[in-house]
This record gives sequence, C-alpha cells and structure tokens, in this order.
Amino acid sequence: NAGVTQTPKFRILKIGQSMTLQCTQDMNHNYMYWYRQDPGMGLKLIYYSVGAGITDKGEVPNGYNVSRSTTEDFPLRLELAAPSQTSVYFCASSYTPGQGINIQYFGAGTRLSVL
Amino acid sequence: GQQVMQIPQYQHVQEGEDFTTYCNSSTTLSNIQWYKQRPGGHPVFLIQLVKSGEVKKQKRLTFQFGEAKKNSSLHITATQTTDVGTYFCAGPNFNKFYFGSGTKLNVKP
Repeated sequence: NAGVTQTPKFRILKIGQSMTLQCTQDMNHNYMYWYRQDPGMGLKLIYYSVGAGITDKGEVPNGYNVSRSTTEDFPLRLELAAPSQTSVYFCASSYTPGQGINIQYFGAGTRLSVL
Repeated sequence: GQQVMQIPQYQHVQEGEDFTTYCNSSTTLSNIQWYKQRPGGHPVFLIQLVKSGEVKKQKRLTFQFGEAKKNSSLHITATQTTDVGTYFCAGPNFNKFYFGSGTKLNVKP
C-alpha cells in the first residue's frame, strides 16, 4: 500500500495564481484532513471530510476550498494565492475518530511558496 | 474553541540526558495522541492514551495521561541523536484533531 500520497512536493506560485494540491489514500479511510504547518509551528486544520460528498471547515479555511467526490481523493484548492498561504501542507487520513485507536496517516507534504 | 498547548517550545539536551514535554488541553479529552516529526518529514503516530491516569512505555519513551484527562506528558530517558525531531500531542474533538504547537528536541552528540 502507498498510504497517503500528495502531489506536488514543491510549488512556487505568484500572488493571485490558483492551484490544486492533490491527495489520495489507498487505505479505504472515511476521514481525510488538510493541515497547514507554518515554520516552527504546529498543525492547523484547514478542512476535513468524514466521507465522500461531505466536507467541513477546520480552524483556518479562508482562502481554500475542498471537494470529496470519492473515498480515495481529497484535493485542496487555493484561489487567488497570497503570501500568507506560504506554508507546508499536509494531507492525512484516518478511520473514524473516537473508535478504537484512530491513527492519522500523513502524506509527505507539499511545500508551497507564494511570491 | 478547544486549545491544546505544549511546553517547552524548544529543548536542547546533551546525548544521554532526559527530556520531557508537556501538553495541556482547555477541555477534557476522550483520548490523546502523540506524534513525532523528523526534520523535513511528516508527523508519524507514536501512541494513543485513553484512560485517566494511563501510563504507557515504548522502550525509552514514557507517555502519561492525566487523571482529569486534560494533560499529558512524554518523557524520554537517556536521549539519543535518533530522538531529534518535533513531538506533537493531539486531542480529538468530534471529527477533528487539535494539535499542540510541538516541542522541538535537539540532541547534541
């Protein structure tokens, strides 16, 4: 199993450009998450999904959009990129929180710079 | 909203010294998880604690969940250079996880 796969690994955007960060998992997890990690900081939840067709906002959703058309894929869309969105973005997936040992599996991350 | 705080932010130790990081939540947690992130890497799950007062050990790592289920600690005995990284605690709230800001551990050989 590949686990959680994120593409691209690195990207440089100009202010105002748009892009989609891809995330796919092959563990048949219902729950998927997008986090951002600013330098020296913890993880902030952007959006999450509890299953195909269902998404909800996390702590820092402004400037981002998501969709979940399949169990496997959970892309994150940045519209009108701003320097404040320079960060490392991690996608994660898990089984249902609160039931048993609920491990979050993380992708390798996408390092995004907006200049 | 729920907040999860971690101290210290940084810790520099000599190899062989002990290390402890503390995690405090503003609300009672159903469980708490710990993750390790190596420099340039992604968070990797270490352990989950569920019961009040629970203590779990993984070799040189000891994890503790407070009696009130609002705080937790990770203690590393006799650190090694392989312990370098940032340690995060994470507490669930319904469908979300709230991560602490992490403690960055540097170990001097």
